[in-house]
Amino acid sequence: DVKVTQSSRYLVKRTGEKVFLECVQDMDHENMFWYRQDPGLGLRLIYFSYDVKMKEKGDIPEGYSVSREKKERFSLILESASTNQTSMYLCASRKYLRTSGNDIQYFGAGTRLSVL
Amino acid sequence: AQSVTQPDIHITVSEGASLELRCNYSYGATPYLFWYVQSPGQGLQLLLKYFSGDTLVQGIKGFEAEFKRSQSSFNLRKPSVHWSDAAEYFCAVGGSNTGFQKLVFGTGTRLLVSP
Repeated sequence: DVKVTQSSRYLVKRTGEKVFLECVQDMDHENMFWYRQDPGLGLRLIYFSYDVKMKEKGDIPEGYSVSREKKERFSLILESASTNQTSMYLCASRKYLRTSGNDIQYFGAGTRLSVL
Repeated sequence: AQSVTQPDIHITVSEGASLELRCNYSYGATPYLFWYVQSPGQGLQLLLKYFSGDTLVQGIKGFEAEFKRSQSSFNLRKPSVHWSDAAEYFCAVGGSNTGFQKLVFGTGTRLLVSP
């Protein structure tokens, strides 16, 4: 089974703090994603990474950055947390088999971040 | 632009009754379509997917979905709902048109199951 692990289930931070959200996958997947989930808005893509040290902006990258130094780990960074970044953050890892066309994203359990 | 519409924010179904959750998509090519389920406080679990071939796909937990290209729909069904099915359900579309297999999600439908 694919396992995507997010280091914290709940975090409470203060405005202006630098926040790190960590995600680790154990299946040697090349591609990883960070989403945020808000009521009524569904999931929105913040950043994704298609390989080590490679990253691309998603739909809502403002106020965030990412780091992918090792294949298994993808970190989301809030340089200066603000109250409007209070949300549920979900990490995903993508399994793609070109031969079968199988293309699936597997999700972690999420980190619920509150910025006070 | 690619988009997914889940027109029902909440649905309440009696235990044992049948269920259909609606999903409509907008996509410029043949889409990859997915249904995910999220239990309270949890991440998303893949229920089923459609890439190509048979338009009726079977998933886990007794769910199925039917791809109807003419209607741009991918509705999720279950013949008999169990109380443990209460959760939030997300439809998503992906493929080459979204760019690097990004997924575009609907806003979700929350399923409530009454006794």
